[in-house]
Amino acid sequence: AQKITQTQPGMFVQEKEAVTLDCTYDTSDQSYGLFWYKQPSSGEMIFLIYQGSYDEQNATEGRYSLNFQKARKSANLVISASQLGDSAMYFCAMRDAILQAGTALIFGKGTTLSVSS
Amino acid sequence: DVKVTQSSRYLVKRTGEKVFLECVQDMDHENMFWYRQDPGLGLRLIYFSYDVKMKEKGDIPEGYSVSREKKERFSLILESASTNQTSMYLCASSFGRQGRKNEQFFGPGTRLTVL
Repeated sequence: AQKITQTQPGMFVQEKEAVTLDCTYDTSDQSYGLFWYKQPSSGEMIFLIYQGSYDEQNATEGRYSLNFQKARKSANLVISASQLGDSAMYFCAMRDAILQAGTALIFGKGTTLSVSS
Repeated sequence: DVKVTQSSRYLVKRTGEKVFLECVQDMDHENMFWYRQDPGLGLRLIYFSYDVKMKEKGDIPEGYSVSREKKERFSLILESASTNQTSMYLCASSFGRQGRKNEQFFGPGTRLTVL
């Protein structure tokens, strides 16, 4: 069965430092996609970054990068130069069978990131 | 910008009431989803729909039903609300293109309290 595991309930980081949020996944499918979402205290879910299982390069979006290690089934989110506004809950998610059109996301339980000045 | 709207941010209902949560998206997305979010459990999928009048059960469909009569609107129905359905409900939508990332866009959420 598909599963997403985020082992860090909470992480603390100083402003301007980099932080890595861990995510491991389990799937038997060869074609899948991995997503990271941010949820600030206001509640809205914001899409951050995507990595496809066949993408050869690690995905990057501004200060966000995804450290994708396929053999280890890990997809860690790296936030460089943390800002106070990065304080939020972060969710890792997976959609397998991406060659099909109508499949849903499976989410991890989330990691709360707190950035201090 | 993609917009997903939900009918209420906060809702208080009594046990046994029939509850309707409405979700509307304006990007012509094929797929729409309902999740509930509870502390320590992440987001869990209740139902999703990949086309008008089509629906698929998610991980926790018991006690819920859905309706999708128009492409832009997806309703979640609690036939007889119970206290264990007190939660945050999130609606999302996405394109249904094969082989593409099809990221989901979320609404602001409805915090439902059942007394």
